[in-house]
Amino acid sequence: KNEVEQSPQNLTAQEGEFITINCSYSVGISALHWLQQHPGGGIVSLFMLSSGKKKHGRLIATINIQEKHSSLHITASHPRDSAVYICAVRRGADGLTFGKGTHLIIQP
Amino acid sequence: EPEVTQTPSHQVTQMGQEVILRCVPISNHLYFYWYRQILGQKVEFLVSFYNNEISEKSEIFDDQFSVERPDGSNFTLKIRSTKLEDSAMYFCASIRDLTSNQPQHFGDGTRLSIL
Repeated sequence: KNEVEQSPQNLTAQEGEFITINCSYSVGISALHWLQQHPGGGIVSLFMLSSGKKKHGRLIATINIQEKHSSLHITASHPRDSAVYICAVRRGADGLTFGKGTHLIIQP
Repeated sequence: EPEVTQTPSHQVTQMGQEVILRCVPISNHLYFYWYRQILGQKVEFLVSFYNNEISEKSEIFDDQFSVERPDGSNFTLKIRSTKLEDSAMYFCASIRDLTSNQPQHFGDGTRLSIL
């Protein structure tokens, strides 16, 4: 069974700060997802990674397969980035296994 | 951009009643999933569906649950005799295939409240 651990659980930062959210998982995977969930509950997929690094706007996601670790970075954070960020992993055709999420609040 | 759509957005049902949650996956997608999120907890996998049959299910997906793709567009989750602990947000997701470098697409969810 794959366990997914995220840190920190909660993060409050000032607008403009560089944000890092970490994710570790326990067994080999075929892909790792970073997801965003806003109040109201909808889930949006930000990235899917199987190796290396991806960038989309102010968001950067990296993964180290050997260390079973991934990070999500937000540069020049903004209050609209406030949300729950969730790491989830997939093995083959299996459904995703989710972390508990990181509650991010960006204060103006 | 194509979306996964779920109906209803909120369902209130008496305990013991049957409920059907509906999803319309993206039209050229082949793999379909149901997840649930109990309030304040993490999202949990329920079931995956491919080629008109269940490909994997979790421990949560017991005999009270069933899934069906009754036509070419809908993908439904049925709970036969609802319990209070079935109250949760239920998310449908789909993906075209497992080899393309594409993430799962999620619907906005159905909030199920069991009274």
